[in-house]
Amino acid sequence: GENVEQHPSTLSVQEGDSAVIKCTYSDSASNYFPWYKQELGKRPQLIIDIRSNVGEKKDQRIAVTLNKTAKHFSLHITETQPEDSAVYFCAAKVRNTGKLIFGQGTTLQVKP
Amino acid sequence: EAQVTQNPRYLITVTGKKLTVTCSQNMNHEYMSWYRQDPGLGLRQIYYSMNVEVTDKGDVPEGYKVSRKEKRNFPLILESPSPNQTSLYFCASSLETGTGSRNEQFFGPGTRLTVL
Repeated sequence: GENVEQHPSTLSVQEGDSAVIKCTYSDSASNYFPWYKQELGKRPQLIIDIRSNVGEKKDQRIAVTLNKTAKHFSLHITETQPEDSAVYFCAAKVRNTGKLIFGQGTTLQVKP
Repeated sequence: EAQVTQNPRYLITVTGKKLTVTCSQNMNHEYMSWYRQDPGLGLRQIYYSMNVEVTDKGDVPEGYKVSRKEKRNFPLILESPSPNQTSLYFCASSLETGTGSRNEQFFGPGTRLTVL
């Protein structure tokens, strides 16, 4: 069945450094790839997303890249700040369905 | 205020006692979905609904039922709960299920369920 693998499971960086989280999906019919941020005790919230016909998308310090051939997509956070500390989830949506498959999550810790 | 609400927020119950977790959205969203969140497993989709009277299985539907009789409500029913259904449950909704901004899912606050 459909699967999304996310790495690393934990990531610790110094404030100001960059952070990269990588995901691999199995279903080539996936066409939409959102990233969610979940702060401790809170609900997940969308931070950025990308469609399958786009290779890269940026929003201030956050960027997402997609390699359809390799079925990889990645989240890049530059100039990290302590408030970036959270759990990040990638996801892949299967085309023409409502199915959304999430990765296992990455706990990002940004040390001041 | 535009929101997704869930009730109850916390529930402790016993094996076999039927329960319902309600989910309601006031944004006129077509799409609604239920997820469970367990440590190390991320969010796993239980059921989703692309419109009224249309529901479909996600990744982990066993032991759960849903219904979508009205656009705003999407209750999750556990007919005979078991301890392995102890989890944090999230309901979510979106305007559509395409690939654009109208596909953004808004999550409810979560329901923490413990089955003894």
